Amino acid sequence: EDQVTQSPEALRLQEGESSSLNCSYTVSGLRGLFWYRQDPGKGPEFLFTLYSAGEEKEKERLKATLTKKESFLHITAPKPEDSATYLCAVYSGGSNYKLTFGKGTLLTVNP
Amino acid sequence: GAGVSQSPSNKVTEKGKDVELRCDPISGHTALYWYRQRLGQGLEFLIYFQGNSAPDKSGLPSDRFSAERTGESVSTLTIQRTQQEDSAVYLCASSLVIGGQETQYFGPGTRLLVL
Repeated sequence: EDQVTQSPEALRLQEGESSSLNCSYTVSGLRGLFWYRQDPGKGPEFLFTLYSAGEEKEKERLKATLTKKESFLHITAPKPEDSATYLCAVYSGGSNYKLTFGKGTLLTVNP
Repeated sequence: GAGVSQSPSNKVTEKGKDVELRCDPISGHTALYWYRQRLGQGLEFLIYFQGNSAPDKSGLPSDRFSAERTGESVSTLTIQRTQQEDSAVYLCASSLVIGGQETQYFGPGTRLLVL
């Protein structure tokens, strides 16, 4: 059974204070790892997909990296508008493309 | 439409009543998913539709839950004889599989409260 663990559960940063969120996973064969952002009262918003170890993707202040056991979401010089819950999910193949999600990291960036 | 839409956005019902939740996927997306998000928990897969293939119902928690999809368009999730533990946000996502790769785009969810 696929498992996804995100840490920390919650993170408070000051504006401009860079940090990283962790997503560790246990799957039988990773076919894709996804990062989503979720704002309160809204559905998850797609950020990145990573398919193989060593892959990196960037978008504005966010950079996602992938190893064989975990993924990191690096946030550089965050702003208050980056405050949200960040969700990690994996897809391990099979006849459907269902995702297994972690519980998320609640990021708060204070001005 | 531009994105996945869901209705109603909020639903309050009494224990034992049936509820029906609706999802309109992105036009052209052949795959559609339903997930459940309980407070403080990760999203749980419920059911998957792909084109005209038989749906994957492996995530449905009990026989009180069922879902239908008309072709590659609207889907409805029905919960019969609702229980308080059914209270959650129900999220729908749609995707288009290209070359074995796909990205799921989520709707805003329906917040269900069973009293």
